[in-house]
Amino acid sequence: GENVEQHPSTLSVQEGDSAVIKCTYSDSASNYFPWYKQELGKGPQLIIDIRSNVGEKKDQRIAVTLNKTAKHFSLHITETQPEDSAVYFCAACGSSYKLIFGSGTRLLVRP
Amino acid sequence: GAGVSQSPSNKVTEKGKDVELRCDPISGHTALYWYRQSLGQGLEFLIYFQGNSAPDKSGLPSDRFSAERTGGSVSTLTIQRTQQEDSAVYLCASSLWGDIWTGGGDSPLHFGNGTRLTVT
Repeated sequence: GENVEQHPSTLSVQEGDSAVIKCTYSDSASNYFPWYKQELGKGPQLIIDIRSNVGEKKDQRIAVTLNKTAKHFSLHITETQPEDSAVYFCAACGSSYKLIFGSGTRLLVRP
Repeated sequence: GAGVSQSPSNKVTEKGKDVELRCDPISGHTALYWYRQSLGQGLEFLIYFQGNSAPDKSGLPSDRFSAERTGGSVSTLTIQRTQQEDSAVYLCASSLWGDIWTGGGDSPLHFGNGTRLTVT
């Protein structure tokens, strides 16, 4: 079945620096790739998503890139702020309606 | 507006007991999902409801797990004869419609804050 791998598992950056999280997926039929942010004690919240007919999408300080040939996609956060500290999950929707999630990246932004 | 509501927020139970976890989706959302999140892990799909269709139970880990969705709205996840390995956060999510494949960002998943289950 569909498998999504995510790395790194933890990431520590200095405030103002950029952070990059990478994911790979196995189902070549996948066509929807959302990213979720989860703060402590809360459910994941959608922050950005991309469809397979688009290579890049940007929303203020966050951007997502997709390489369908290589079957990987990445989240880029620029000018990181302490409030960006959270766990980030990538996900992919393949030949089904189910979102398959990566294992998460714990991002720490140091003031 | 109101988001996805889950209750209880925390549940401690003894091994062997049955538990029921409740999810109130966003009003009007036809699709409802249950996921399980073990400590430090990703989200594991459990079950999916879409309208009046038969649910997709392919992610349920054992026959001790079951779920219902009454009247196309509220859902209950039941775990019978709980085991320590059942300890996790159980997350419910809903979306306007279930066709994520084609609906994509027009119908994102909205998650509740989860129920933290601890089996002692």
